[in-house]
Amino acid sequence: DTAVSQTPKYLVTQMGNDKSIKCEQNLGHDTMYWYKQDSKKFLKIMFSYNNKELIINETVPNRFSPKSPDKAHLNLHINSLELGDSAVYFCASSLNRNSGANVLTFGAGSRLTVL
Amino acid sequence: AQSVTQLGSHVSVSEGALVLLRCNYSSSVPPYLFWYVQYPNQGLQLLLKYTSAATLVKGINGFEAEFKKSETSFHLTKPSAHMSDAAEYFCAVSDRFGNEKLTFGTGTRLTIIP
Repeated sequence: DTAVSQTPKYLVTQMGNDKSIKCEQNLGHDTMYWYKQDSKKFLKIMFSYNNKELIINETVPNRFSPKSPDKAHLNLHINSLELGDSAVYFCASSLNRNSGANVLTFGAGSRLTVL
Repeated sequence: AQSVTQLGSHVSVSEGALVLLRCNYSSSVPPYLFWYVQYPNQGLQLLLKYTSAATLVKGINGFEAEFKKSETSFHLTKPSAHMSDAAEYFCAVSDRFGNEKLTFGTGTRLTIIP
């Protein structure tokens, strides 16, 4: 039973399209994250939600909109896709927001290619 | 602001040789430090973490890391490399005051030579 699952695993689309990536965790964690990994493997946090509340919103274009319908799900919708959005997007979760010692559990990633 | 610097984007070692991956951190408050590993086409998974006074931390798969405050370092080592250790390794830092943001280094790709 996968702890953090993301769908789809691969996504190929044209510039200007809108797409969504879904994430679900079955660990009972309170906090969920979206990270972007670029072609050089650099990982940068985009968003974090704690129990459906947005707590971290890094400098990310408005075209990216996270949605958390409940604490087990965090989806990422991207409008008007651009070439620079091509990357691997990782969902992650942690027990709660109360300690910097929390370990993140990552999903397997969603590779987005914009043509 | 916190940051980590990983020296060497690529490291190659022979099977059975010592693995040493370097990480230096910068933090204005006492840090928590982590090493994560990413195997091809997979998400990251935790190798080990430093969160307390025990400066030598042992992790999974025979890896360990030593926190050296005077050198602001948290280097990852393994005495004898195995082919299955080939992966991307990320050092990361957060702080112990509840900052949720985990900041990653740029990663080191470890290649094992048969």
